[in-house]
Amino acid sequence: KNEVEQSPQNLTAQEGEFITINCSYSVGISALHWLQQHPGGGIVSLFMLSSGKKKHGRLIATINIQEKHSSLHITASHPRDSAVYICAVQRGGADGLTFGKGTHLIIQP
Amino acid sequence: DVKVTQSSRYLVKRTGEKVFLECVQDMDHENMFWYRQDPGLGLRLIYFSYDVKMKEKGDIPEGYSVSREKKERFSLILESASTNQTSMYLCASSMGGAVKPQHFGDGTRLSIL
Repeated sequence: KNEVEQSPQNLTAQEGEFITINCSYSVGISALHWLQQHPGGGIVSLFMLSSGKKKHGRLIATINIQEKHSSLHITASHPRDSAVYICAVQRGGADGLTFGKGTHLIIQP
Repeated sequence: DVKVTQSSRYLVKRTGEKVFLECVQDMDHENMFWYRQDPGLGLRLIYFSYDVKMKEKGDIPEGYSVSREKKERFSLILESASTNQTSMYLCASSMGGAVKPQHFGDGTRLSIL
């Protein structure tokens, strides 16, 4: 079993819909990261969470440490949100990340 | 803005060659990382470094080595390239201390023929 599980693997939605991507993990962590990867490979860090909730524009990330679960929400989705969203966990400050397999999101106009 | 620069966007090498992938960051970050990304397997950690001349194995270090002689530069070395090392390689860096966001380079798509 992978240490980090994401769902769904693929998601197609219409512009304006509310999007939720889920991430569950099975190990103790210091932080959970949400990353965005557009076609062509570049990866951008969206959020880093140790507890609670963070918001940036239309994106919201939450984490429940006791449940070992995190969600990424996109409100008022737009075609430019189409990308692969990747959940990753980090055990300690200098440690590398352990990644989920990613969620391929397509927002249709 | 943090800039993580990988020396090549695309690289083609032959089986058995020694291959160097270079990564440079311009923000004085202590931590640097090498990952590879493969379809169906996602991203996996190869090696990381938390200081000059320090290195730690990640999840899949076999067939690779690294070098960090200067703080800003972290090199990934394929000692004798094999076809199963054909992949997208991504370098990242982060500040030291408590957990911090990682900043990624654009990746090197390496093909071993």
